[in-house]
Amino acid sequence: SAVISQKPSRDICQRGTSLTIQCQVDSQVTMMFWYRQQPGQSLTLIATANQGSEATYESGFVIDKFPISRPNLTFSTLTVSNMSPEDSSIYLCSARQGEETQYFGPGTRLLVL
Amino acid sequence: GNSVTQMEGPVTLSEEAFLTINCTYTATGYPSLFWYVQYPGEGLQLLLKATKADDKGSNKGFEATYRKETTSFHLEKGSVQVSDSAVYFCALIINFGNEKLTFGTGTRLTIIP
Repeated sequence: SAVISQKPSRDICQRGTSLTIQCQVDSQVTMMFWYRQQPGQSLTLIATANQGSEATYESGFVIDKFPISRPNLTFSTLTVSNMSPEDSSIYLCSARQGEETQYFGPGTRLLVL
Repeated sequence: GNSVTQMEGPVTLSEEAFLTINCTYTATGYPSLFWYVQYPGEGLQLLLKATKADDKGSNKGFEATYRKETTSFHLEKGSVQVSDSAVYFCALIINFGNEKLTFGTGTRLTIIP
């Protein structure tokens, strides 16, 4: 199994600012993902983070708002740009190695004022 | 497309009661099925999984059987504890590789002493 850590675990930010969330996996993985979980809701996939190339975004999410980096097989970052209160959510990093089970990080709880 | 339908919550039970959380799915192929659990303030943890028809996944006293004929993967536990209070998500994936997890809406379970 993969152990995934995220930083920060939570933050309170002012509208108009940006926050970068880091995700570290304890082993090399082929696929990394970023999800958003709004209060009381299920998970929504933001994008698949591709190593060495641009992330693949789901419908409704764009690179300008959620730029993603993945410089190697164990690390990724998600930036939430120009934040508004509607961006208040839990952001979850997830990883999968080949056909193995998909694992999740503990999440980053973001509150935008 | 693929979808997962979960029992509406919230569900409140007394300690030592029998638990069933229903999950049914529609899928374009032969999915692998998962139950994830999210304890208060935490990320998602894999609870159990089943990768083919008639498989039974089990963990921590929870069980779920992959029923192809009824396209179901209901979660059961014979005697719940207060520590089982959490949100439970049913999910599927068709083929590993570039396929993505499809989640149900989640079922919030509260166990009262």
